[in-house]
Amino acid sequence: DTGVSQDPRHKITKRGQNVTFRCDPISEHNRLYWYRQTLGQGPEFLTYFQNEAQLEKSRLLSDRFSAERPKGSFSTLEIQRTEQGDSAMYLCASSLVGRITGELFFGEGSRLTVL
Amino acid sequence: GEDVEQSLFLSVREGDSSVINCTYTDSSSTYLYWYKQEPGAGLQLLTYIFSNMDMKQDQRLTVLLNKKDKHLSLRIADTQTGDSAIYFCAESYNQGGKLIFGQGTELSVKP
Repeated sequence: DTGVSQDPRHKITKRGQNVTFRCDPISEHNRLYWYRQTLGQGPEFLTYFQNEAQLEKSRLLSDRFSAERPKGSFSTLEIQRTEQGDSAMYLCASSLVGRITGELFFGEGSRLTVL
Repeated sequence: GEDVEQSLFLSVREGDSSVINCTYTDSSSTYLYWYKQEPGAGLQLLTYIFSNMDMKQDQRLTVLLNKKDKHLSLRIADTQTGDSAIYFCAESYNQGGKLIFGQGTELSVKP
């Protein structure tokens, strides 16, 4: 299966530490998205890339969050100086521009717990 | 602005029809989607509808779109216990761009 994969699946950290998540999209997909989901809520958009260019970033995204997609393939999402409010599931999705349905394919997520 | 609203819970008996409703605010939305999320699994696309359509049927699923009222619904016929999951409505106003999700409707199917 060559779906979207995310690593690690679960991360527990102490407040103030930095964490990094990795996403490997479906290989031919040129767009990659990061979402955050908290319990009882729908996924909240964070940012997305087309190839290596970051096309949009949510204005709700703190400066402590940074995402990269250096070679237009995998992406990393780093959270610096984590806070308890950062505890959530971080979802990655990918899509192919030009696909008529415009659907996003999601990974299973990386769950962050900040103690 | 971008906002998608859904009712939070729905409980039905196995074999009944389920109807999950969604309202959205962005009249420029061109694509509307229904995603399903099972416990411990990623979101999976169930079906989608273009804004120039009123209805789409796909096996047990029927999607109805009322653009005037900005209302989208998903009907699941002959609901099974395996349909128990959280269902998310999402809108996108350009192909391949970001999706805006509702908060999800938890469907519980009782035998």
